[in-house]
Amino acid sequence: DAGITQSPRHKVTETGTPVTLRCHQTENHRYMYWYRQDPGHGLRLIHYSYGVKDTDKGEVSDGYSVSRSKTEDFLLTLESATSSQTSVYFCAISEPGQGYTFGSGTRLTVV
Amino acid sequence: QQQVKQSPQSLIVQKGGISIINCAYENTAFDYFPWYQQFPGKGPALLIAIRPDVSEKKEGRFTISFNKSAKQFSLHIMDSQPGDSATYFCAARKTNQGAQKLVFGQGTRLTINP
Repeated sequence: DAGITQSPRHKVTETGTPVTLRCHQTENHRYMYWYRQDPGHGLRLIHYSYGVKDTDKGEVSDGYSVSRSKTEDFLLTLESATSSQTSVYFCAISEPGQGYTFGSGTRLTVV
Repeated sequence: QQQVKQSPQSLIVQKGGISIINCAYENTAFDYFPWYQQFPGKGPALLIAIRPDVSEKKEGRFTISFNKSAKQFSLHIMDSQPGDSATYFCAARKTNQGAQKLVFGQGTRLTINP
């Protein structure tokens, strides 16, 4: 999607290993979000950011941490990956008065 | 606890027919109700949205009907086309410090048969 890229697109990792997913935007939007998508659950908010170094928890934040040291980058870290964190992860950006723009997602498999 | 409940999980409609997807919410603090369309391998994309002070919004073949007293809203796709085959998500928004926190329904996989 224009202006927002996620990396990697696919990743397979082993249980117990740390994993970092990256979201990069070129829109200079203040707000950034991480969601996970699972069948039967829709998308659920993990963490979000309302500015550089300003982050807050969403509804499913356990086991995840985030960092935002620059406006354009929002990192999601799984400190010790578990099989329950196998999912598709989406990053989104927004500005007041505008809706979300989602990235294309990262498919993470924890084996 | 699912704050936004969506039904049906899957839906098959003939080309030219009307597709209807329903959602119900619980939290009266929600202030905005968007619908998203998602194709395989892609992120969700905003399709149409409504505010709770409006009972209906129409954009082309897509219409949202909103019933505030019942805390329900629905998406109607008129003259459904094979290109409409996708997964649809309803959502409800809470705003916190300017951040738009969306709560999504479970999703509906729509298939339009030619």
